[in-house]
Amino acid sequence: SQELEQSPQSLIVQEGKNLTINCTSSKTLYGLYWYKQKYGEGLIFLMMLQKGGEEKSHEKITAKLDEKKQQSSLQITAYQPSHAGIYLCGADRTGNQFYFGTGTSLTVIP
Amino acid sequence: DGGITQSPKYLFRKEGQNVTLSCEQNLNHDAMYWYRQDPGQGLRLIYYSQIVNDFQKGDIAEGYSVSREKKESFPLTVTSAQKNPTAFYLCASRGQPGETQYFGPGTRLLVL
Repeated sequence: SQELEQSPQSLIVQEGKNLTINCTSSKTLYGLYWYKQKYGEGLIFLMMLQKGGEEKSHEKITAKLDEKKQQSSLQITAYQPSHAGIYLCGADRTGNQFYFGTGTSLTVIP
Repeated sequence: DGGITQSPKYLFRKEGQNVTLSCEQNLNHDAMYWYRQDPGQGLRLIYYSQIVNDFQKGDIAEGYSVSREKKESFPLTVTSAQKNPTAFYLCASRGQPGETQYFGPGTRLLVL
């Protein structure tokens, strides 16, 4: 079973619109990370959340971690073509391991 | 510039052949990781190493081998025992637990 569930799997977004991606775990998260990936490239770190209720923003992207630390959301405001790509959430696992969600693919339409 | 490099960008493997993917970092990170990415499946952990001369299996280690003789280097060998090697392979490193991982640009492995 997937330890981190992401939804939706894919999204076609009109330029200028807002969107939200969710990442859900059945276990308490002790470190939740968001990454962006362009097709065929490595992952670029966006933000990390650790505390329940924490919220961080960078440019037009805002990430939140709920109070129970089992769900995170990533919101993009005024979507632009430069936002297109795959967004992945990742979390710490014991023993310095790490695991990832299945990713959400974002495509822009004019 | 500090970062992680992977080579080659594309690699072709013939049946029965072992191939080695290179991963080098100059971030002075202790921990290094290898992941496999297939379409629609996110990243799956193959092997990881927390210190030189030590490494542990991840979730899908069968058919792969690694070595960690130097802090900067963590090569991955895809052996002939890996029956479905076609995938995108990503290497990452991490300074401390609780910090983010940094990723290389990836190697795409294709079977001829």
